[in-house]
Amino acid sequence: NAGVTQTPKFRILKIGQSMTLQCAQDMNHNYMYWYRQDPGMGLKLIYYSVGAGITDKGEVPNGYNVSRSTTEDFPLRLELAAPSQTSVYFCASSFGTATDTQYFGPGTRLTVL
Amino acid sequence: DQQVKQNSPSLSVQEGRISILNCDYTNSMFDYFLWYKKYPAEGPTFLISISSIKDKNEDGRFTVFLNKSAKHLSLHIVPSQPGDSAVYFCAASLSNSGGSNYKLTFGKGTLLTVNP
Repeated sequence: NAGVTQTPKFRILKIGQSMTLQCAQDMNHNYMYWYRQDPGMGLKLIYYSVGAGITDKGEVPNGYNVSRSTTEDFPLRLELAAPSQTSVYFCASSFGTATDTQYFGPGTRLTVL
Repeated sequence: DQQVKQNSPSLSVQEGRISILNCDYTNSMFDYFLWYKKYPAEGPTFLISISSIKDKNEDGRFTVFLNKSAKHLSLHIVPSQPGDSAVYFCAASLSNSGGSNYKLTFGKGTLLTVNP
């Protein structure tokens, strides 16, 4: 099992550019999450999904979009990148509720200049 | 409004001694608490959790204590080892609140350094 994989590992974007952060899991988890971690801060939930076709906003969704067409994949789309989106992005998955362990990917470090 | 607070950004201990990491929360509705460990350039990994119906949970060298009246939890690592050097995040959730029970609220983390 690869667990949760994320691509790319690093990316530099110019202001106004768009990109998609990829996330995939091979554990057949229903729930998937996107977090961001700013320097010196905890992780904040951007979006989450409870199954294919079902997504919902987390704490900091502005400037992002998600889709979940399969159980395995949960891409995060950044439209019109801004310097405030410079962060490390983590994808996670779990079987069910927050009492189930969330397994995290290695992260994508994004810089917007 | 920070609902989960880890007021010590860093902690340094000697190998073999006890490490105590603290976490406070403000939302009395939180009923499930977790500790995650994170090494540089890796994602967080689950370490240990505790439900609000308990006041202690133990797993090997790791013990989490929960004081609901004080809205405080702590992670004890005994004995500490150099491989424990990492950032430790405290997280909380509302496990029985319907639509919001998937969301973890994280603290800012505490960097633990265990010196040989």
